[in-house]
Amino acid sequence: EDKVVQSPLSLVVHEGDTVTLNCSYEVTNFRSLLWYKQEKKAPTFLFMLTSSGIEKKSGRLSSILDKKELFSILNITATQTGDSAVYLCAARSNSNYQLIWGAGTKLIIKP
Amino acid sequence: NAGVMQNPRHLVRRRGQEARLRCSPMKGHSHVYWYRQLPEEGLKFMVYLQKENIIDESGMPKERFSAEFPKEGPSILRIQQVVRGDSAAYFCASSPGEQVQFFGPGTRLTVL
Repeated sequence: EDKVVQSPLSLVVHEGDTVTLNCSYEVTNFRSLLWYKQEKKAPTFLFMLTSSGIEKKSGRLSSILDKKELFSILNITATQTGDSAVYLCAARSNSNYQLIWGAGTKLIIKP
Repeated sequence: NAGVMQNPRHLVRRRGQEARLRCSPMKGHSHVYWYRQLPEEGLKFMVYLQKENIIDESGMPKERFSAEFPKEGPSILRIQQVVRGDSAAYFCASSPGEQVQFFGPGTRLTVL
């Protein structure tokens, strides 16, 4: 059965810290992995990764995919209170249009 | 370009009533997905539709729930004879193809 597992489930850090969120997947005919940020509303798209080893970057956020070890990480540097959210990871296979979602990592940034 | 729109944003129903949730995808998007999210839980896939077709409804309960995406107008998720366990946030997402999904603001359904 296809699955996506995120860790940690929750994380509390202080403003200015750097965090690394993990997402491992077991998906038949893997196609792509997506990261979303969810505050108290709809998930907003962050990154889509399809190739191994190529870092995607947007401001203080970056993400990379390892297709050999079947995982991805999301890094946030110099965290701010506005980064507090649930970060969701989802994987898609070539044989299915569904996204397989992880349970999310709840990140809390303390001032 | 307006994003995905959902209405109503909040819906309160009594047990046994019907709930109708609407989703207008982004312009140019012909793929619509419905998800349910319970408090403190992840997103659960319900149904995937293209115009006038249900492609995959494997995540939708077989009874009381139905979805449509007509040629004209929004996609509708319909829940008949609601029960307290149907209380959740229902998100709609759209995509131009089998690519990144963009989410609407959600409808929070409360069943009294």
